[in-house]
Amino acid sequence: AQSVAQPEDQVNVAEGNPLTVKCTYSVSGNPYLFWYVQYPNRGLQFLLKYITGDNLVKGSYGFEAEFNKSQTSFHLKKPSALVSDSALYFCAVRDGTGTASKLTFGTGTRLQVTL
Amino acid sequence: EADIYQTPRYLVIGTGKKITLECSQTMGHDKMYWYQQDPGMELHLIHYSYGVNSTEKGDLSSESTVSRIRTEHFPLTLESARPSHTSQYLCASSESAGGKLFFGSGTQLSVL
Repeated sequence: AQSVAQPEDQVNVAEGNPLTVKCTYSVSGNPYLFWYVQYPNRGLQFLLKYITGDNLVKGSYGFEAEFNKSQTSFHLKKPSALVSDSALYFCAVRDGTGTASKLTFGTGTRLQVTL
Repeated sequence: EADIYQTPRYLVIGTGKKITLECSQTMGHDKMYWYQQDPGMELHLIHYSYGVNSTEKGDLSSESTVSRIRTEHFPLTLESARPSHTSQYLCASSESAGGKLFFGSGTQLSVL
């Protein structure tokens, strides 16, 4: 089975500083990777995905993610953090093939951006 | 903005009650999913459906059941709620299997 790991439970960043939320993956074959964000008392919202092509994927709200095959990583990044970016972030991987595939999520990382 | 709706948003009930959590989507998606989210954040897939009259159990064993009689509707039922069922339940849909998921706002269930 495919899986992703988020090694940090929480990341703390000052507003205006760059942020990185880490994700590593374990897959057989080509990985389909996703990032989602969850704001308080809300469902998850799609940020971006990597299927193939450019290793730098741009997504919503100024976020981007870098796919690194040699390090099996898919870290989420933003050049300048905002207090409003404070939320839970989930990395996910497509597990299975064809019509039997579904998404498997990491354990989540809480991002706290302070003034 | 995703067109997927969950009701109720919050539910507090006593042990032994039967409950149904509603989930509806207006996007015409064949694939629908139920995730259970622990207080510690982790998401677990408990049920999914790839179309009408199709339902499958997910990775996490659950005492709940689901049905898919209409494309747009994917309710989850607990026949006899227990305190261990206290959790947040998130419904999602996608156009393709393993593709981008659209989530509802979730139902926070508390069983006393």
